[in-house]
Amino acid sequence: DAKTTQPTSMDCAEGRAANLPCNHSTISGNEYVYWYRQIHSQGPQYIIHGLKNNETNEMASLIITEDRKSSTLILPHATLRDTAVYYCTRPTGTASKLTFGTGTRLQVTL
Amino acid sequence: NAGVTQTPKFQVLKTGQSMTLQCAQDMNHEYMSWYRQDPGMGLRLIHYSVGAGITDQGEVPNGYNVSRSTTEDFPLRLLSAAPSQTSVYFCASSRKGTSGGTRGELFFGEGSRLTVL
Repeated sequence: DAKTTQPTSMDCAEGRAANLPCNHSTISGNEYVYWYRQIHSQGPQYIIHGLKNNETNEMASLIITEDRKSSTLILPHATLRDTAVYYCTRPTGTASKLTFGTGTRLQVTL
Repeated sequence: NAGVTQTPKFQVLKTGQSMTLQCAQDMNHEYMSWYRQDPGMGLRLIHYSVGAGITDQGEVPNGYNVSRSTTEDFPLRLLSAAPSQTSVYFCASSRKGTSGGTRGELFFGEGSRLTVL
């Protein structure tokens, strides 16, 4: 069963960069890594995805190691509204299903 | 653009009752799925569909039925509710990827909170 591993929780001061790691050591060469976040009890929200090159969008940056066994989601200037659970996931099995673990609970503080 | 709409948002059932959670999307997405979320468990995939007339099981399908008669709708049926099905249910949709399943950028609904007494 393909899995990703993330720390349970992290803290970050407002205005600082939040770096959220994810381990996906068994990822295949053509599998993307996806990041989502869930604020309070809302539905998860897509953030970004990548294959092997670093990616950036208006929400975050994604750094993927050269061996593709791990990645880091970077929120460059975290705000209180970024407090959420962040999920790193990858497609698995037939139909490339996305499964979600328990993610990393990021707490942004003043 | 409404995105993914789930109804009802809240529901209380008695053990043994049946009900259907509705999910509709207006983005013409081929892929749709249902997840449940319990405290400390993350999101677990119940059923998914890669197009009208095609459904398959996810991680925790027991006690749930689905059908996909149209591209827009993907209802989740509980035939005989049990307290273990007390949970928050999320519907999600996406475009189909090259492998035939999700392209990975899932759009989620706001959730349906179900309590079974």
